[in-house]
Amino acid sequence: NAGVTQTPKFRILKIGQSMTLQCTQDMNHNYMYWYRQDPGMGLKLIYYSVGAGITDKGEVPNGYNVSRSTTEDFPLRLELAAPSQTSVYFCASSYDRKLFFGSGTQLSVL
Amino acid sequence: AQSVSQHNHHVILSEAASLELGCNYSYGGTVNLFWYVQYPGQHLQLLLKYFSGDPLVKGIKGFEAEFIKSKFSFNLRKPSVQWSDTAEYFCAVNALNNNDMRFGAGTRLTVKP
Repeated sequence: NAGVTQTPKFRILKIGQSMTLQCTQDMNHNYMYWYRQDPGMGLKLIYYSVGAGITDKGEVPNGYNVSRSTTEDFPLRLELAAPSQTSVYFCASSYDRKLFFGSGTQLSVL
Repeated sequence: AQSVSQHNHHVILSEAASLELGCNYSYGGTVNLFWYVQYPGQHLQLLLKYFSGDPLVKGIKGFEAEFIKSKFSFNLRKPSVQWSDTAEYFCAVNALNNNDMRFGAGTRLTVKP
């Protein structure tokens, strides 16, 4: 099993550009999450999903969108990138309330 | 929604010293509690968890944590740290009546050889 796979690993965006961070898992987990990690701030929950077709906002959803058309995929979309979105993004899936994390995407918005 | 506080931002210890990292949460209902660890250059991994039962839980690599309900705390402990324990440690809380998982700001542990 690959577990949780995130792509890309690194990306530099210009202000105002858009992009999608991909996340896929092969463990058939219903629950999936997107977090951003900033130095000294820990992980902040952006969006989560409890199953295909269902998504909910977390602590810091502004500037992001998600979709969950399949159990496996949970992409995160940035429509108009801003410098405040420079961060490391982690996708995770969950089983029995235990999180399994991807390796992260380091995003810089310049 | 629940929230989590980790009061120690950076802890520096020598090898063989004892470790205790604080974690407090705010939520009035039933919670599940977790400690995750992030070694340098790696993604987060589960260290240990508490769902119910014995409030003293043991995890991997000699770590343990104690849930004290009256203090809303879930402190992480290890009797004797090793250089390889250098990492960032995150406490997390999940309330039983919702599906999101909230993390603390993390504590960076540096163990000097």
